[in-house]
Amino acid sequence: ETGVTQSPTHLIKTRGQQVTLRCSSQSGHNTVSWYQQALGQGPQFIFQYYREEENGRGNFPPRFSGLQFPNYSSELNVNALELDDSALYLCASSPPRGTSGRENEQFFGPGTRLTVL
Amino acid sequence: DQQVKQNSPSLSVQEGRISILNCDYTNSMFDYFLWYKKYPAEGPTFLISISSIKDKNEDGRFTVFLNKSAKHLSLHIVPSQPGDSAVYFCAASRYQGGKLIFGQGTELSVKP
Repeated sequence: ETGVTQSPTHLIKTRGQQVTLRCSSQSGHNTVSWYQQALGQGPQFIFQYYREEENGRGNFPPRFSGLQFPNYSSELNVNALELDDSALYLCASSPPRGTSGRENEQFFGPGTRLTVL
Repeated sequence: DQQVKQNSPSLSVQEGRISILNCDYTNSMFDYFLWYKKYPAEGPTFLISISSIKDKNEDGRFTVFLNKSAKHLSLHIVPSQPGDSAVYFCAASRYQGGKLIFGQGTELSVKP
């Protein structure tokens, strides 16, 4: 069983640029969530995708956008990068609802470390 | 507004002893609580969860206790092992599969 994978591992951008981060969900998982983890903090929810539709959004501006594809992989796009966007971006997938006892678990990828200069 | 709080940034425990990590929450609508462990350069790894209809859940060396009236949960690790040294996050959600609200984390160090 392949776990959640993310690419790239590390990325350096400058202010004002745009970035796309990618996530492949765990096999059989149809829900993907994205989180931002700043240094010394817990992960903060950005948004969630379920069956290619946005299914909840945290307190992030519209320049944070996403997509989910038919194979349930996902992208996170951030426009007009700011210095404060420097963080670890985590993708998590979870199994279909009704999966016995496991649907509340979110399985995280290793993250993409974004540095904005 | 920090809805989930872990007030101890760090905890040091001797190998073989019990580790107790604490977490408080403010939103009474939370129905599911989870603990994750995180090593540097890795994503969080799910450890154990509990729903609000229970007050205790065990899995091997890990036990989570939930006190709904106090809006408090704790993770007990017995016996603690050096490999348990990591950052531990508690998280809460309002429904199964919903967005997770994380605490700030507690760094556990288990000394041989």
